[in-house]
Amino acid sequence: EAQLVESGGGLVQPGRSLRLSCTASAFTFGDYGVSWFRQAPGKGLEWVGFIRSKPYGGTTEYAPSVKGRFTISRDDSKSIAYLQMNSLKTEDTAVYYCTRDRYSSSWYSDYWGQGTLVTVSS
Amino acid sequence: QSVLTQPPSVSGAPGQRVTISCTGSSSNIGAGYDVHWYQQLPGTAPKLLIFGNSNRPSGVPDRFSGSKSGTSASLAITGLQAEDEADYYCQSYDSSLSGSRVFGGGTKLTVL
Repeated sequence: EAQLVESGGGLVQPGRSLRLSCTASAFTFGDYGVSWFRQAPGKGLEWVGFIRSKPYGGTTEYAPSVKGRFTISRDDSKSIAYLQMNSLKTEDTAVYYCTRDRYSSSWYSDYWGQGTLVTVSS
Repeated sequence: QSVLTQPPSVSGAPGQRVTISCTGSSSNIGAGYDVHWYQQLPGTAPKLLIFGNSNRPSGVPDRFSGSKSGTSASLAITGLQAEDEADYYCQSYDSSLSGSRVFGGGTKLTVL
């Protein structure tokens, strides 16, 4: 069964940067798009961004709340996706999940990682 | 304020049937984009429950079913069990928000 494991979360000061990793296994990583989502404490799910598979251009899309600050990339040779987060704000505090994505007249996520907590605080 | 609207909570007794609604607009569900549903058990990551409006991934019991009509979708759970107590989220795509996947605010299901 496909598995995704996030890492790299922790406590960071406002304005600083952090990079999260999403390590995939048990499937051909390069064949799939990958999304990042987040969930603030006690709140609902929020889509952060998405990277297409290389056959579909490897292009990225971002939620307006993070566009220009966050960057998603991928290394298919290592089966890892990254979320580079710059200029972090206190409102970015959340559990961050990476997912494997599929398409059915809209994108959806069929496998989720366990999440990694990012706390932005001075 | 979520783009898709779900009731904050629903409840039912074991064995009963409950439904969770997900209301959108002409730029998301009403535009023909599929609706997907996720289940989030307490303290865990979300899990795909229904994709493409009404399809169940392998391993999801047939007690769970989804439907879509117009600008709304629904998740039905029959034969309610204690382990169904969780948060449920609907998700679709909105053409007015570039690249955006949109969610409902989530519905807390309580099994009485």
